[in-house]
Amino acid sequence: EAGVVQSPRYKIIEKKQPVAFWCNPISGHNTLYWYLQNLGQGPELLIRYENEEAVDDSQLPKDRFSAERLKGVDSTLKIQPAELGDSAVYLCASSPLEISSYNEQFFGPGTRLTVL
Amino acid sequence: GENVEQHPSTLSVQEGDSAVIKCTYSDSASNYFPWYKQELGKGPQLIIDIRSNVGEKKDQRIAVTLNKTAKHFSLHITETQPEDSAVYFCAANSRGTYKYIFGTGTRLKVLA
Repeated sequence: EAGVVQSPRYKIIEKKQPVAFWCNPISGHNTLYWYLQNLGQGPELLIRYENEEAVDDSQLPKDRFSAERLKGVDSTLKIQPAELGDSAVYLCASSPLEISSYNEQFFGPGTRLTVL
Repeated sequence: GENVEQHPSTLSVQEGDSAVIKCTYSDSASNYFPWYKQELGKGPQLIIDIRSNVGEKKDQRIAVTLNKTAKHFSLHITETQPEDSAVYFCAANSRGTYKYIFGTGTRLKVLA
């Protein structure tokens, strides 16, 4: 079974430029998460999708970040414009439909963003 | 707000020795506690988890213990091997939901 796929793996951009990250979750997983991981820290949730609906985007800085999951499968996270402080690893995770609070989340390899 | 503290931040052990990583959580409603291993350049990988209705769980060389009263949970790795070297994260689910609160990680080095 293929895991969570993310691309690109690495991205270097100048500040004020836009950038987009793509995620393909595990087949059959209809819950998708985007996390931010700063150096030396644990992941922090940005947004959670159930199918195509963003059910929790309370941690997403909406002035510059946006996300979409149009068909309830792949997802894209965008930053426009990027700032120096956005340099981090952006992780995507997925899980099966939650039937209890014990949901296992499976992470992709992440996209390492460097903003110069 | 909810918080998960993790100690130590770095841990070096000799191959074959045991390693213990400890976490405390603040949200009494947390009922699911996963542990993730993250190798360099990779995403976190779930290695073991425990639910609040269980005090201990073991999977080969890895075990996790939970003390709900004290809001402590710990990861125990026995007979450590060089391939155990990685960063380990504990997490607790916030208010018993899908939202994980992660610890700050422990960098484990197993010296051959």
